Amino acid sequence: GIQVEQSPPDLILQEGANSTLRCNFSDSVNNLQWFHQNPWGQLINLFYIPSGTKQNGRLSATTVATERYSLLYISSSQTTDSGVYFCAVLPYNQGGKLIFGQGTELSVKP
Amino acid sequence: KAGVTQTPRYLIKTRGQQVTLSCSPISGHRSVSWYQQTPGQGLQFLFEYFSETQRNKGNFPGRFSGRQFSNSRSEMNVSTLELGDSALYLCASSLDGLRHEQYFGPGTRLTVT
Repeated sequence: GIQVEQSPPDLILQEGANSTLRCNFSDSVNNLQWFHQNPWGQLINLFYIPSGTKQNGRLSATTVATERYSLLYISSSQTTDSGVYFCAVLPYNQGGKLIFGQGTELSVKP
Repeated sequence: KAGVTQTPRYLIKTRGQQVTLSCSPISGHRSVSWYQQTPGQGLQFLFEYFSETQRNKGNFPGRFSGRQFSNSRSEMNVSTLELGDSALYLCASSLDGLRHEQYFGPGTRLTVT
């Protein structure tokens, strides 16, 4: 089946720093989403981005579908950005089955 | 619009018991998917329902089952609970589960003792 790899697994930043999280996937996909998991476990939608570039405030994402990777950029990080970031892909012909990466755990220090 | 709701939020059960979890999707959404999250295995797909039919199933034993009602609400059931079933169970809803974004509920945290 399709493999989803996220890097780095852990990231520690000083408040105000910028970061780039990467998601590689092993086959063509129907769509791709980025999520932030809050301390209570809920997955918060960040981007639905099967291809192209999107921006939302300090966050932006780019997916290059032909090269099978996506990047999540966080600029001017804040302590509230801490948590786990997941990339998830939807393979073709598998209904609504999202395949998740293992996540990047981000810690932003004041 | 109200988001995805899950009940109960927390549950403690004993080995051998069974449990039923409930998920109410966003109004108008017809696809509901269930996921299990554990520290060791990460987020894993359990099954997806669309228009009351199971459309896809993950690699879980038959003790895990689900259903969807005509109003798109879904339930999942785990019978003969094992310690390893302790996890956060998340459900997601989507318009059709294929070309639309999936939105997740707050989850049910199940502890099996």
